[in-house]
Amino acid sequence: EAGVTQFPSHSVIEKGQTVTLRCDPISGHDNLYWYRRVMGKEIKFLLHFVKESKQDESGMPNNRFLAERTGGTYSTLKVQPAELEDSGVYFCASSHPAGALDTQYFGPGTRLTVL
Amino acid sequence: GQNIDQPTEMTATEGAIVQINCTYQTSGFNGLFWYQQHAGEAPTFLSYNVLDGLEEKGRFSSFLSRSKGYSYLLLKELQMKDSASYLCAAPILTGGGNKLTFGTGTQLKVEL
Repeated sequence: EAGVTQFPSHSVIEKGQTVTLRCDPISGHDNLYWYRRVMGKEIKFLLHFVKESKQDESGMPNNRFLAERTGGTYSTLKVQPAELEDSGVYFCASSHPAGALDTQYFGPGTRLTVL
Repeated sequence: GQNIDQPTEMTATEGAIVQINCTYQTSGFNGLFWYQQHAGEAPTFLSYNVLDGLEEKGRFSSFLSRSKGYSYLLLKELQMKDSASYLCAAPILTGGGNKLTFGTGTQLKVEL
């Protein structure tokens, strides 16, 4: 079974530009999560989809971040315009609902550098 | 709110046993996860504890004490490949799933 995949693995952009990150969850997983790790800090939750619906986006930093999951399969996270503080590693995770506490399977992350 | 504390780094010798501690303060308790993360790779699920006591899985075991807000991950017969970051995480229920609050991770270095 293929794991969670993320694209690109690295992205280097200039401040003010736009970047779109993509996550392909494990097939059949309804839950999809985005997290971010800023250098030196812990991994932090950004948002949670169940199929195509946003269930919780309380961790989204501001309105420069837009996440979508059209069709309930892959998801994209767009940052527009990017700022220096957006640099970090963006992780995606997916899970198959199993009661309330599902085990999340993580992708390898996209390392974003904003110059 | 949620607060997770774990040591920043630890060093141990190949073949030895190491215990990585995690203390937590949570508003509502839904168990505790441990993940392993090698540099540049995805965090990988190791264990989940919701009841007090020790859960053993091969060389790795995880312990939980809910009354003390404390957990540890025990790694036996250490191997060089166990050098990685170990992440303690507490889940908060959120509409059909759960969002994880992570500690900063403990970087374990296994030496010869």
